Amino acid sequence: GQQVMQIPQYQHVQEGEDFTTYCNSSTTLSNIQWYKQRPGGHPVFLIQLVKSGEVKKQKRLTFQFGEAKKNSSLHITATQTTDVGTYFCAALSGSARQLTFGSGTQLTVLP
Amino acid sequence: EPEVTQTPSHQVTQMGQEVILRCVPISNHLYFYWYRQILGQKVEFLVSFYNNEISEKSEIFDDQFSVERPDGSNFTLKIRSTKLEDSAMYFCASSREGRGYTFGSGTRLTVV
Repeated sequence: GQQVMQIPQYQHVQEGEDFTTYCNSSTTLSNIQWYKQRPGGHPVFLIQLVKSGEVKKQKRLTFQFGEAKKNSSLHITATQTTDVGTYFCAALSGSARQLTFGSGTQLTVLP
Repeated sequence: EPEVTQTPSHQVTQMGQEVILRCVPISNHLYFYWYRQILGQKVEFLVSFYNNEISEKSEIFDDQFSVERPDGSNFTLKIRSTKLEDSAMYFCASSREGRGYTFGSGTRLTVV
């Protein structure tokens, strides 16, 4: 089945530093979604990328979809303690649009 | 904002017992899903449900598992004869065409 690799697994940053997580697939993706899961919480939808080379911004978060639609990244500028959590990329596939999640990047922000 | 509701939030069961996890998806969503997450690991797809039938299921979703939509609102996951390795967080989710998923807050299943 489809596999989505995500790195790094863990990232500790000082508050105010930037953070980036990367997602890669060996196959071309129809689209990619990003989710945030706070500690003890459930995944919360952040954004969906569909077009080759697409870049979307949400305040301090910038999402990119690669030109070949095989990779994606999430960049957070000037992290805050509220950014703490695990960030997952997820690829949509199948007739029922099920998601295949990456392994996630657990972000810790040190005050 | 509409929510996906899951009950119970925590279920402890004896190995070999049956459990039913309940979900109320968002009313105008068409696709329903069950996922599970073993502690500290990634979110794994179990099954998708569309038009009142199973659309896709993963290798995890074996004969031990079943899903039902008994009425117009509820969506249930039944696990027969639970095993220790079934201990996990089970998330229900729903979506509309072309949109992201809305996940419920999950049921933590502990098999002892």
